[in-house]
Amino acid sequence: DAGVTQSPTHLIKTRGQHVTLRCSPISGHKSVSWYQQVLGQGPQFIFQYYEKEERGRGNFPDRFSARQFPNYSSELNVNALLLGDSALYLCASSLDGSSYGYTFGSGTRLTVV
Amino acid sequence: QKEVEQDPGPLSVPEGAIVSLNCTYSNSAFQYFMWYRQYSRKGPELLMYTYSSGNKEDGRFTAQVDKSSKYISLFIRDSQPSDSATYLCAMSAGSGYALNFGKGTSLLVTP
Repeated sequence: DAGVTQSPTHLIKTRGQHVTLRCSPISGHKSVSWYQQVLGQGPQFIFQYYEKEERGRGNFPDRFSARQFPNYSSELNVNALLLGDSALYLCASSLDGSSYGYTFGSGTRLTVV
Repeated sequence: QKEVEQDPGPLSVPEGAIVSLNCTYSNSAFQYFMWYRQYSRKGPELLMYTYSSGNKEDGRFTAQVDKSSKYISLFIRDSQPSDSATYLCAMSAGSGYALNFGKGTSLLVTP
């Protein structure tokens, strides 16, 4: 059984650029959440989607946006990248959005130079 | 003050030792308490999940929640080198709510 798949695994971007990160949930899971993990810190909540609707948004600027597609996969977009956006971006899927039912992917490591 | 506080360590113990990991929190609305293990360059993996106060045991792992003190613990018995990882506590106010994580405690179990 495939787990949560994230792509790309690593990427390097320049300040001011735009980036799109992708996530495929576990088959049958209808909810996807995005978290940002800065080095040495715990993950911080960015967005949650359930059945293609935004269910929650963390304390992140409007440069961050996301969407969920009919097949339940998801994209996280970040515009006007800042050095401080360098982090591990984690996608978690769950059957119904239950916070105790998350399965995390291995993440996308974004470096902004 | 962050809602969830966790000592980042590092914590180094000999193989076979009992490990105690702890978190404190300030938000009395938290109802769901979780412990995740994260290996280097990997995503967090759920170890234990507890609803409200009480104890829960799973093999070598025991999770305790004391809501009156706003304090949660994870105990690892007979620790193994393969337990070397970062341990993250996480909590939420309800099912479907976002997780609030601690910073994580780095654990090293030496042979």
